[in-house]
Amino acid sequence: SQQGEEDPQALSIQEGENATMNCSYKTSINNLQWYRQNSGRGLVHLILIRSNEREKHSGRLRVTLDTSKKSSSLLITASRAADTASYFCATNAGKSTFGDGTTLTVKP
Amino acid sequence: ETGVTQTPRHLVMGMTNKKSLKCEQHLGHNAMYWYKQSAKKPLELMFVYSLEERVENNSVPSRFSPECPNSSHLFLHLHTLQPEDSALYLCASSQDREGNYGYTFGSGTRLTVV
Repeated sequence: SQQGEEDPQALSIQEGENATMNCSYKTSINNLQWYRQNSGRGLVHLILIRSNEREKHSGRLRVTLDTSKKSSSLLITASRAADTASYFCATNAGKSTFGDGTTLTVKP
Repeated sequence: ETGVTQTPRHLVMGMTNKKSLKCEQHLGHNAMYWYKQSAKKPLELMFVYSLEERVENNSVPSRFSPECPNSSHLFLHLHTLQPEDSALYLCASSQDREGNYGYTFGSGTRLTVV
């Protein structure tokens, strides 16, 4: 079964707006990771947050983790057309599995 | 470049052909993975190798045969595939098999079975 499940499945916004994606998981984790995938390409690691962290920043990315709710969110601020991609979360609980992803479209 | 290189980028093969996908990592990682990504399906973990030993095989049909000759190289040998095997095949590596530091992916091989 999938460990990480992203929500929403698809998100369409205008350039400059913020985009928020959510991830829920089922079991205890050591860390949670977010990845980006451009169409037909491999996944690119964006950010890793450990289970004892609540928030982490990297440039325009902000990730939060709520282990009590078994959920995480990825916020992309001031979005750009180049942010158009699919975004996946993956959890680490002995092995990593990925959800279906959120497809983000940023319109110029 | 991520440090994980996959070849070829694209492959078209007939159902009776035999071909191999290659993955090479220059990161000094100890674990390597094969994933399958089909249209409108989540990433499926196929095989996991840790220190050249296969540690996971997720009910993958025998027409897919992995090989890990050393910690830097991973192959996926293909034979008598079916059209439903057409997909993007992704290789990944990590420092440890638990993925405590995340995963690094290659660009993938787009496989089409005709």
